[in-house]
Amino acid sequence: DQQVKQNSPSLSVQEGRISILNCDYTNSMFDYFLWYKKYPAEGPTFLISISSIKDKNEDGRFTVFLNKSAKHLSLHIVPSQPGDSAVYFCAASVVGNTPLVFGKGTRLSVIA
Amino acid sequence: KAGVTQTPRYLIKTRGQQVTLSCSPISGHRSVSWYQQTPGQGLQFLFEYFSETQRNKGNFPGRFSGRQFSNSRSEMNVSTLELGDSALYLCASSTTGFTQTQYFGPGTRLLVL
Repeated sequence: DQQVKQNSPSLSVQEGRISILNCDYTNSMFDYFLWYKKYPAEGPTFLISISSIKDKNEDGRFTVFLNKSAKHLSLHIVPSQPGDSAVYFCAASVVGNTPLVFGKGTRLSVIA
Repeated sequence: KAGVTQTPRYLIKTRGQQVTLSCSPISGHRSVSWYQQTPGQGLQFLFEYFSETQRNKGNFPGRFSGRQFSNSRSEMNVSTLELGDSALYLCASSTTGFTQTQYFGPGTRLLVL
């Protein structure tokens, strides 16, 4: 049973526009969420995180929104740049030092 | 500060063989986790080591094992390789565990023929 789901395997966006990547989770115990970005031949790189006590966290062009009632989070990238083209993984965990549970990833392509 | 390093980067083995992968964490990081990434499956957690002790374990068969040394370097071993073990194996380190940001290495790509 997949506890963290990224239902869109791929997304294509024009340069300068907003990219919205979505993630749903089923385990209501999750209280810490992260986004990682992965380029080919490299390991995932931490992007941004959010704890369940917040519903929004911003870092430059990246904003993560958390809707606990819907068990849904999203990553907004504004404006999108060609260098943002990568696979984005959503991950979740329960505070108390439990392993991260990852989604299967969404491949973002930003077209110039 | 040097990042997480993994060796080797690429490996080809045949069914039935065994393989050992190595991970050197960021200096000062004591937690090392291992993940398997296969096409369409995302990253699946294998195990986590902290201060030379396995602290968490994922849902993988006993053919997958690991260890951590006193300098926090870690190795994982897969015995009796199967075709389905072909994957990218990623190592991640953090200061104390999952509550801290995990930093990933570039991975070891294993191909089992």
